[in-house]
Amino acid sequence: GAVVSQHPSWVICKSGTSVKIECRSLDFQATTMFWYRQFPKQSLMLMATSNEGSKATYEQGVEKDKFLINHASLTLSTLTVTSAHPEDSSFYICSERGTGIYEQYFGPGTRLTVT
Amino acid sequence: GESVGLHLPTLSVQEGDNSIINCAYSNSASDYFIWYKQESGKGPQFIIDIRSNMDKRQGQRVTVLLNKTVKHLSLQIAATQPGDSAVYFCADYSSGGSYIPTFGRGTSLIVHP
Repeated sequence: GAVVSQHPSWVICKSGTSVKIECRSLDFQATTMFWYRQFPKQSLMLMATSNEGSKATYEQGVEKDKFLINHASLTLSTLTVTSAHPEDSSFYICSERGTGIYEQYFGPGTRLTVT
Repeated sequence: GESVGLHLPTLSVQEGDNSIINCAYSNSASDYFIWYKQESGKGPQFIIDIRSNMDKRQGQRVTVLLNKTVKHLSLQIAATQPGDSAVYFCADYSSGGSYIPTFGRGTSLIVHP
């Protein structure tokens, strides 16, 4: 399966600052990437679908101005959490769609803690 | 799967036992299902999948059963090992949709040596 990396693996930031999380496809050109967030002991919730070269599609209830997604190349998508608040503390996971429509390969996740 | 904001149910087993993890889904149009394993602090990993035209599929030490009548999936792990300790999620896809999965609530499996 495809290999997806995320950077950083964990980050601590102060309230009001912005944080950028990178999602890289290491061995595959991913036209579509997904961003999820996961609170402790809960399931994955899809935040947005990111398509290379176009604007991301956000799920209902996800603020697009707060969670900026950029998918500028076939191997890199970024999620920027702007003006972070403690309630944004979560585990953020990206995934890429493989060659099959049902295939998804997940990154290792980024733990964000906002103090 | 039915994703709700509740804490994960937990299944504790002894090493060597067989484990059965259950999942309910709500969309009758779902036609493809995947079980994922998520270890602590990591992203989900694919375990096994099944299409709606099947009711059983076997992999290495794992079996997935699908009951479309009651919209229920189960994952059976044979001879459970400590390395199987993780959270297990089911995900379902619906035909005619955007091929984006809906994740179930998840079950935390704890294997005691």
